[in-house]
Amino acid sequence: GENVEQHPSTLSVQEGDSAVIKCTYSDSASNYFPWYKQELGKRPQLIIDIRSNVGEKKDQRIAVTLNKTAKHFSLHITETQPEDSAVYFCAAARWGKLQFGAGTQVVVTP
Amino acid sequence: DAGVIQSPRHEVTEMGQEVTLRCKPISGHDYLFWYRQTMMRGLELLIYFNNNVPIDDSGMPEDRFSAKMPNASFSTLKIQPSEPRDSAVYFCASSLEGTQYFGPGTRLLVL
Repeated sequence: GENVEQHPSTLSVQEGDSAVIKCTYSDSASNYFPWYKQELGKRPQLIIDIRSNVGEKKDQRIAVTLNKTAKHFSLHITETQPEDSAVYFCAAARWGKLQFGAGTQVVVTP
Repeated sequence: DAGVIQSPRHEVTEMGQEVTLRCKPISGHDYLFWYRQTMMRGLELLIYFNNNVPIDDSGMPEDRFSAKMPNASFSTLKIQPSEPRDSAVYFCASSLEGTQYFGPGTRLLVL
């Protein structure tokens, strides 16, 4: 089955700096790669996703890149703000079933 | 749309009792997923349904867990009998064309 590895497990950044989280996946047939943000005590919420026919997608301060050949994808957050502090999960899927990474705890310090 | 609805939001029970968690997916979604989240094991997929039919229950930890989806707008996850190690947050999610939306979760504490 699919295996998703996510790095780093924790990330501390200064407000205004950029944050990058990287994930690798094992199943070359995976074709959908969402990213979720989970604040403490709340549900995971979709923040951006990318499908395998696209190499990059951007939404305001958030961007995701996908390299299908290397089987890795990354989340980039620019101009980080304190409200970006949360746990971020990457995931990979085909046929509807998501395999999640272990999560990255992002702390943005003022 | 109200999003995915779960009930109860919090449940405290004693070991050995039956626990039933409920989920109403987003109208029109054809997939429904049950997850369990703990600090130790992270986010685990327990079971998922497509058009009300169970597709993969390989994540269900043992026979004490069962799930049903009698119709497109309702699903239950039952634990009988419950044990302290079942304490976790249980999320239901539904999807259409791959994008999953999570419910608010049920925080379960088994004493």
